Amino acid sequence: NAGVTQTPKFQVLKTGQSMTLQCAQDMNHEYMSWYRQDPGMGLRLIHYSVGAGITDQGEVPNGYNVSRSTTEDFPLRLLSAAPSQTSVYFCASSYDRGNEQFFGPGTRLTVL
Amino acid sequence: ILNVEQSPQSLHVQEGDSTNFTCSFPSSNFYALHWYRWETAKSPEALFVMTLNGDEKKKGRISATLNTKEGYSYLYIKGSQPEDSATYLCAPRNDYKLSFGAGTTVTVRA
Repeated sequence: NAGVTQTPKFQVLKTGQSMTLQCAQDMNHEYMSWYRQDPGMGLRLIHYSVGAGITDQGEVPNGYNVSRSTTEDFPLRLLSAAPSQTSVYFCASSYDRGNEQFFGPGTRLTVL
Repeated sequence: ILNVEQSPQSLHVQEGDSTNFTCSFPSSNFYALHWYRWETAKSPEALFVMTLNGDEKKKGRISATLNTKEGYSYLYIKGSQPEDSATYLCAPRNDYKLSFGAGTTVTVRA
């Protein structure tokens, strides 16, 4: 199993550009989530999904969209990048909402 | 979103010494408490998922206890080794969402 994979590993954007961070898991997990990690702060939940076709907002959803068309994939879209979205983004999955989460390797995003 | 406090923010431990640190969270509407270990340049990895008041979990030299009535959990490291150096995150779960604390960073000196 590859586990949770994320692409790209690094990305630099200009303010106003859009892009999609990819996340995939091969463990047949129902629950997937996106977090951002900023210095001095804990991981903050952006969006999550409890299964294909079902998504919901987390703590900091503004400026981000998600969709879950398949069990395996959970892409995160930045609609119009802003410097405040400079962060490290982690995707995670778990068998269901109650189980331990498995994290991807992260994407480091810089918005200039 | 739950208010989660971890203390201390960081600590230095001599190799071979034991240590412990705290995670505090609201006791109402509790579902579970997760502990994760996060080494530099890696991703967080799960240590424990605890659900019941009085739960004790152990993995090697690391153990954790849970008090859901007063809203706290302790994580213990016995006989610290350099490979225990990491940031330890706790995250109470409220229904579908985990709320992560900022973590306790442990540095073990040889």
